[in-house]
Amino acid sequence: EDKVVQSPLSLVVHEGDTVTLNCSYEVTNFRSLLWYKQEKKAPTFLFMLTSSGIEKKSGRLSSILDKKELFSILNITATQTGDSAVYLCAVEEREKLTFGTGTRLTIIP
Amino acid sequence: EAGVAQSPRYKIIEKRQSVAFWCNPISGHATLYWYQQILGQGPKLLIQFQNNGVVDDSQLPKDRFSAERLKGVDSTLKIQPAKLEDSAVYLCASSLGLGGRSGNTIYFGEGSWLTVV
Repeated sequence: EDKVVQSPLSLVVHEGDTVTLNCSYEVTNFRSLLWYKQEKKAPTFLFMLTSSGIEKKSGRLSSILDKKELFSILNITATQTGDSAVYLCAVEEREKLTFGTGTRLTIIP
Repeated sequence: EAGVAQSPRYKIIEKRQSVAFWCNPISGHATLYWYQQILGQGPKLLIQFQNNGVVDDSQLPKDRFSAERLKGVDSTLKIQPAKLEDSAVYLCASSLGLGGRSGNTIYFGEGSWLTVV
């Protein structure tokens, strides 16, 4: 069965810290890996990764994919209270998108 | 650009009652998804449509859940009869083509929050 596993399940850090969120996967026909941020409503798209070793960056957020070791990381530097959310990783294969359970990130002011 | 529209936003029903959720995807998006997200878990795909055809409904509990997208645009998801464990957020999403590919980002609606008591 296809799996997407995120770690840690939850993380509490102080404002200004840097965090790394992990996503490992086991799927049969990998196409892409996506990261979403979910606050109290719908997930919002952050990144889509298809190639190994190419970092995607948006402001303080960055992400990279390792297709050999089957994982991705999401980094957030200089965290702010507005970064508090659940971060979801999803893997696309053929026409199917499988989500992990998410990492709940809490930033303490 | 208007986003994915869902209604109702919130619904509380008693077990064994029925409920229906409606979704209008982003204009021009061929693929529509219904996800179930139970508190503390990631979204789980219930059904995926490509235009008005079903691509994947392998995780849809067909004894009580049904979904349709008759004209290939908006969609309804129905639960009848509801059980306590159906309490969740039902997320509708859409993408231009088959989601996840370059240029085919999946966009989510705000969700319909269901509580079964």
